[in-house]
Amino acid sequence: AQKVTQAQTEISVVEKEDVTLDCVYETRDTTYYLFWYKQPPSGELVFLIRRNSFDEQNEISGRYSWNFQKSTSSFNFTITASQVVDSAVYFCALRVNYGGATNKLIFGTGTLLAVQP
Amino acid sequence: DGGITQSPKYLFRKEGQNVTLSCEQNLNHDAMYWYRQDPGQGLRLIYYSQIVNDFQKGDIAEGYSVSREKKESFPLTVTSAQKNPTAFYLCASSEFNEKLFFGSGTQLSVL
Repeated sequence: AQKVTQAQTEISVVEKEDVTLDCVYETRDTTYYLFWYKQPPSGELVFLIRRNSFDEQNEISGRYSWNFQKSTSSFNFTITASQVVDSAVYFCALRVNYGGATNKLIFGTGTLLAVQP
Repeated sequence: DGGITQSPKYLFRKEGQNVTLSCEQNLNHDAMYWYRQDPGQGLRLIYYSQIVNDFQKGDIAEGYSVSREKKESFPLTVTSAQKNPTAFYLCASSEFNEKLFFGSGTQLSVL
């Protein structure tokens, strides 16, 4: 079964706090991709990162960092020194083969992050 | 600016009515997708199209129909057979096996 679990429904932090959003995935495929998307109040999903299953290197992009661990099937996302503009729903997604559409994404239920000033 | 345009932003459907959601992209992407988002849930795939004049059902296609007559356009019709149409609908496009770009969505409600 292919599945993405984001156990944290809602997180509230105060500005400048660090926050980690958890993502656990399930797949039997040996080749897969993991994604994080941000959905601000405007509704559009914004791509943040893609990671393939062969690359377990952690990645840092400004205040954002991602920790991919195949041993625990997790792909966690950390925001350092959070800001009010980080307030959004964050989705983790898994890309699997789906007939001919290898771009089918299986999404988690999302984590609503509220950053208070 | 390149991107995906969805219209309208808000749409209301009466009982027994079919409504059509528009999705246009100028990114020259071959693949296009329709997702449904319900509160507290992830996105679920309704239909996808990898090439003009071809489309495939996703996980929750019942009560929906699509067409792909032009590369840049992938309209979604919510038919009267869809008994629970209230949701946020997102259109996306991509190059083959690349990341998805999303539109800003259409909120559909039932009157």
